[in-house]
Amino acid sequence: GENVEQHPSTLSVQEGDSAVIKCTYSDSASNYFPWYKQELGKRPQLIIDIRSNVGEKKDQRIAVTLNKTAKHFSLHITETQPEDSAVYFCAASRVSSNTGKLIFGQGTTLQVKP
Amino acid sequence: DGGITQSPKYLFRKEGQNVTLSCEQNLNHDAMYWYRQDPGQGLRLIYYSQIVNDFQKGDIAEGYSVSREKKESFPLTVTSAQKNPTAFYLCASSKWLGSSGANVLTFGAGSRLTVL
Repeated sequence: GENVEQHPSTLSVQEGDSAVIKCTYSDSASNYFPWYKQELGKRPQLIIDIRSNVGEKKDQRIAVTLNKTAKHFSLHITETQPEDSAVYFCAASRVSSNTGKLIFGQGTTLQVKP
Repeated sequence: DGGITQSPKYLFRKEGQNVTLSCEQNLNHDAMYWYRQDPGQGLRLIYYSQIVNDFQKGDIAEGYSVSREKKESFPLTVTSAQKNPTAFYLCASSKWLGSSGANVLTFGAGSRLTVL
């Protein structure tokens, strides 16, 4: 069935450094890839997403890249700050299908040390 | 509270009992979802519904049941058949935009179920 693998499970960086989280998906028909951030004790919220017709998308300090051939996509956070500390989830979906359901990765706990 | 409300926030249940988690949204969203969150396993889909009176099983539907009698409501029942029910349950909703749009989920605050 559909599957999304996410690595690493935990990531610790110094404030100001960059952080990269990678995901691999199994369903080649997936065409929508969002990233959600869940701060401690809070609900997940969308931070950035990308469609399969785009290779890269950037929003201030965060960017997402997509390699359709290899079926993987990555989240890049530059100039990390303590408030970036959270659990990050990648997901994949086929928006052309009737389901629209998102399959999530296992999550990455990012810790940014001051 | 973000337009989607889950209750109760914390729930304790004895083994062998069924329990129902409530999820209500006032966002006029078409689709609603239930996810289970366990440490190290991400968000796993239990059930989802795109329209009233219709729902589909997700990846881990065994031991759970749902109903969608109203657009605003999507309650989840955790039955005694669920082997490991202790978990954090997240409800979500989205405005289905079809093939032209993205499926952006709005999550509730979650319900933590503990089986004693």
